[in-house]
Amino acid sequence: DVKVTQSSRYLVKRTGEKVFLECVQDMDHENMFWYRQDPGLGLRLIYFSYDVKMKEKGDIPEGYSVSREKKERFSLILESASTNQTSMYLCASRGGGALGEQFFGPGTRLTVL
Amino acid sequence: LAKTTQPISMDSYEGQEVNITCSHNNIATNDYITWYQQFPSQGPRFIIQGYKTKVTNEVASLFIPADRKSSTLSLPRVSLSDTAVYYCLVGEWSNYQLIWGAGTKLIIKP
Repeated sequence: DVKVTQSSRYLVKRTGEKVFLECVQDMDHENMFWYRQDPGLGLRLIYFSYDVKMKEKGDIPEGYSVSREKKERFSLILESASTNQTSMYLCASRGGGALGEQFFGPGTRLTVL
Repeated sequence: LAKTTQPISMDSYEGQEVNITCSHNNIATNDYITWYQQFPSQGPRFIIQGYKTKVTNEVASLFIPADRKSSTLSLPRVSLSDTAVYYCLVGEWSNYQLIWGAGTKLIIKP
């Protein structure tokens, strides 16, 4: 059974803290994604990676950075957390090709106080 | 980029067929249409994908008219467990240009 795991289901941090969200996939997928999900806004792409050490900005990259040192692992970093980054963060992975689905992790609910 | 618009919410009853429509007027030639289902406290899960006409799998059908400016996800004989949020996604992977709809909250009543 394919699996995408995220390091935490719930996280509470304080304003200004550096926050790491980790994502691991076991499907040997080239592509990995970080989204945030807010009520009424659906999913918004923060960053994605199509290969190890490669990264591309999505629609809302400001305030975030990412790291992909190994194929199976994609990390989202909030350098200095702010209250407006309180959200649900979803990681996904996908193989190559024109077709095919993204596989999502269960999400991390981040609250920044 | 195609903008996707879908109803915010819908209600239906067990045993009924439910159709959820997504509007994507500016869809590009190479764009595919994909639908996902999301339950509370879970990530979205792939339901179905298509390019034109009709696609059917074991859980749903996807209808896409010739002009491809909209698509309709059809769920046959829904049950309470189909209560979820359904997302429409339009785009192509070669350039990672993907647009998610805001989601339709479907509530199935007994």
